[in-house]
Amino acid sequence: AQTVTQSQPEMSVQEAETVTLSCTYDTSESDYYLFWYKQPPSRQMILVIRQEAYKQQNATENRFSVNFQKAAKSFSLKISDSQLGDAAMYFCAYRLDMEYGNKLVFGAGTILRVKS
Amino acid sequence: GAVVSQHPSRVICKSGTSVKIECRSLDFQATTMFWYRQFPKQSLMLMATSNEGSKATYEQGVEKDKFLINHASLTLSTLTVTSAHPEDSSFYICSARAIGRQAQGYTFGSGTRLTVV
Repeated sequence: AQTVTQSQPEMSVQEAETVTLSCTYDTSESDYYLFWYKQPPSRQMILVIRQEAYKQQNATENRFSVNFQKAAKSFSLKISDSQLGDAAMYFCAYRLDMEYGNKLVFGAGTILRVKS
Repeated sequence: GAVVSQHPSRVICKSGTSVKIECRSLDFQATTMFWYRQFPKQSLMLMATSNEGSKATYEQGVEKDKFLINHASLTLSTLTVTSAHPEDSSFYICSARAIGRQAQGYTFGSGTRLTVV
């Protein structure tokens, strides 16, 4: 079964510094999608970044980038120049293709605190 | 960008009554919608997947008769919590995937906080 593991329940980072959130997953598929979502205190889920497994190049979105290691089944998120607005809960997710719809499997989440 | 509108944002109901939560895709057609339940500081737990015009597929352990899902059109899905009890109090979130946008992730509603008293 596909599982997603986020081993860091909480992380802290100083404003303007860099932080890396870890995520590992388990799958027997060769082609799939991975996502990082952010959930701020408003609880609105916001897509941060996505990665297609067949692409070797790591995805980047402004200050957010991933380190995708397919063989190791690792998908970490790096946030550079951290800002107070980055404080949120971050979820790593794997897209599981099913006959009745492609659903997302979420990790347990990492609470990120940003210190000023 | 794709927007999903979810209503109500908060609802308080008496034990034994039913509550309906709506999820609408405003600027795209959604073949598939997902309903999640989230407890404080925990992950999203998928309850069911609904496809327009067909019966929803429920995750193991989710009571079909208690959580009624209807996906009558490509822009609207509803979740009805029937005979609600205090243990049903939670945060419910819907998500939709647009037709032809498989690679673009999923758009989420803003959630509904249900309190059963």
